[in-house]
Amino acid sequence: QSALTQPASVSGSPGQSITISCTGASSDVGDYNYVSWYQQHPGKAPKLMIYDVSSRPSGVSNRFSGSKSGNTASLTISGLQAEDEADYYCSSHTGSSTQVFGTGTKVTVL
Amino acid sequence: EVQLVESGGGLVKPGESLRLSCAASGFSFREYAMNWVRQAPGKGLEWVSSIGSGGASIYYADSAKGRFTISRDNAKNSLYLQINSLRAEDTAVYYCARDNNDAKARTFDYWGQGTLVTVSS
Repeated sequence: QSALTQPASVSGSPGQSITISCTGASSDVGDYNYVSWYQQHPGKAPKLMIYDVSSRPSGVSNRFSGSKSGNTASLTISGLQAEDEADYYCSSHTGSSTQVFGTGTKVTVL
Repeated sequence: EVQLVESGGGLVKPGESLRLSCAASGFSFREYAMNWVRQAPGKGLEWVSSIGSGGASIYYADSAKGRFTISRDNAKNSLYLQINSLRAEDTAVYYCARDNNDAKARTFDYWGQGTLVTVSS
């Protein structure tokens, strides 16, 4: 159950688009369309942003979108806003019915 | 409004045991699988364990097998995590999280505020 690999940090200016990658293996990200993404502000609980690779829960801005290619999933934030500055984690179902999170990415709005 | 409120955390010595609780409200608890996720200070999220809506299906992370026991009481709308033989590396904020029934697989759509477990002599 090794953690999925994410870049430690990604930054962008307000209004720009950024993409966070999440790389796993053929036993997790590559084998299942069950990737989810979570946003976490400092001192707060995580918030679900994307599930099943590209589905958005109600109430989540359509500026957030997800995709997957092979063993790598991606979260794109378009029209970057100051409130998007947070840590982001991906997560995937694994073959043994367990769950694995990514290493986390700190998003900075310049 | 969905609410998940964890309790039971605190400062414990290595080797001791602890039982965490999560009180759920605002939804039909018995219809949802539930989960525990932890986060060590300054570190990332780590899935710990999941339990099906009826309590029969239970899964653990490798790091939790043997010392952690997840359980639930649907009559009391409560989720539990028993942790035995606590180690320093168990120090973390423990979150209770609800499974998202709209998703095809395990996804955490509501989270509690977390309860801090600190293991230190």
